[in-house]
Amino acid sequence: KQEVTQIPAALSVPEGENLVLNCSFTDSAIYNLQWFRQDPGKGLTSLLLIQSSQREQTSGRLNASLDKSSGRSTLYIAASQPGDSATYLCAVRGSGGYQKVTFGTGTKLQVIP
Amino acid sequence: EPEVTQTPSHQVTQMGQEVILRCVPISNHLYFYWYRQILGQKVEFLVSFYNNEISEKSEIFDDQFSVERPDGSNFTLKIRSTKLEDSAMYFCATKGDSNQPQHFGDGTRLSIL
Repeated sequence: KQEVTQIPAALSVPEGENLVLNCSFTDSAIYNLQWFRQDPGKGLTSLLLIQSSQREQTSGRLNASLDKSSGRSTLYIAASQPGDSATYLCAVRGSGGYQKVTFGTGTKLQVIP
Repeated sequence: EPEVTQTPSHQVTQMGQEVILRCVPISNHLYFYWYRQILGQKVEFLVSFYNNEISEKSEIFDDQFSVERPDGSNFTLKIRSTKLEDSAMYFCATKGDSNQPQHFGDGTRLSIL
């Protein structure tokens, strides 16, 4: 059974700082990994999708890496802004069946102006 | 940008009643999913649906739950004999093909009294 863990659970940083969010998963047989942000009371917004054959994906100030063999992914946020404050979720899609997705516990980020 | 639309945004129901949560997928999407998120907990997979049948379901998705596409467009989640512990945010997600990321709706907040 896939288990996905995110560290830290919460993070508070001053505006402008670069930061790294971590995601680890127990079963390396994955199809892809996706990072989402969730604002309070809202749905999920997809940020980056990394296929199992890829090492990283970039979008603007965001960069996500994937090391399948060690069961880890990181989300790097450059020059953080108050608008980045949200909960960041990592979700792993299994390689078998019809792609059941397992979500991590989330990292709640607060960027202080 | 096309969106996944969920209705209602908030549903309040007496315990024991049946509820139907509705999702309008992005046009031409073929894969459909339901997730739930109990307040303060992680997002949990419920069921995936493809080609008019359930392709995978979690241990949460027992006989109390059912899904269908009654008119070929809406994708519904029915919960029979609701219990207090069914109170949660329910998210619908859809995608076009197996290599695409899932797009999430804003969710339906279900409150069981």
